[in-house]
Amino acid sequence: QVTLKESGPGILQPSQTLSLTCTFSGFSLSTYGMGVGWIRQPSGKGLEWLANIWWDDDKYYNPSLKNRLTISKDTSNNQAFLKITNVDTADTATYYCARITYYGYNYPLYFDYWGQGVMVTVSS
Amino acid sequence: EIVLTQSPTTMAASPGEKVTLNCLASSSVSYMNWYQQKSGASPKLWIYGTSNLASGVPNRFSGSGSGTSYSLTISSMEAEDVATYYCLQLSSYPPTFGGGTKLELK
Repeated sequence: QVTLKESGPGILQPSQTLSLTCTFSGFSLSTYGMGVGWIRQPSGKGLEWLANIWWDDDKYYNPSLKNRLTISKDTSNNQAFLKITNVDTADTATYYCARITYYGYNYPLYFDYWGQGVMVTVSS
Repeated sequence: EIVLTQSPTTMAASPGEKVTLNCLASSSVSYMNWYQQKSGASPKLWIYGTSNLASGVPNRFSGSGSGTSYSLTISSMEAEDVATYYCLQLSSYPPTFGGGTKLELK
């Protein structure tokens, strides 16, 4: 069965770099078509897509945050990572990782399995 | 970037009532996905590819639409349907979510 779990620092100060880890099981990021995305949600607000990484190491970023985001993976350990540089209070949110699968050109893309989320607070 | 506008923002429905949630895209998209999020929980895939129910979703739910207009319909509201529902488009980068519709029980 597919599971994902996020981990992070909990709290950090403005201007620091946020490092998040997504540890997953039930699939491999070295398998054709597999991908992992990061999505965040400030408390009481909506969802915002941040980045995707694919089995072939293709990477996509939210243009509004692109200069601050770096997504990567470690296929041997079934992990995906997201770094956000120069954080400020607006980055306070619950961060989710989720699986996405490419079935082919004529098939829809969607995030099917999500982690429980990790809450991150940016505060001085 | 495609902006998704969901309506209504909040609504209350009585048990047994038919409910329709809407998602309007600023440009045409090929399909729409829907997620259900209950308080304190992660979003759950609910409908994918416009009209396909995710595993375990009751068949009182349905999805429809095309182009810029999509909807999620509950044929008969039940208490367990209380949640916030988000639409998500992934047919055009960057992926974007709607602002959500909070569905309450009357």
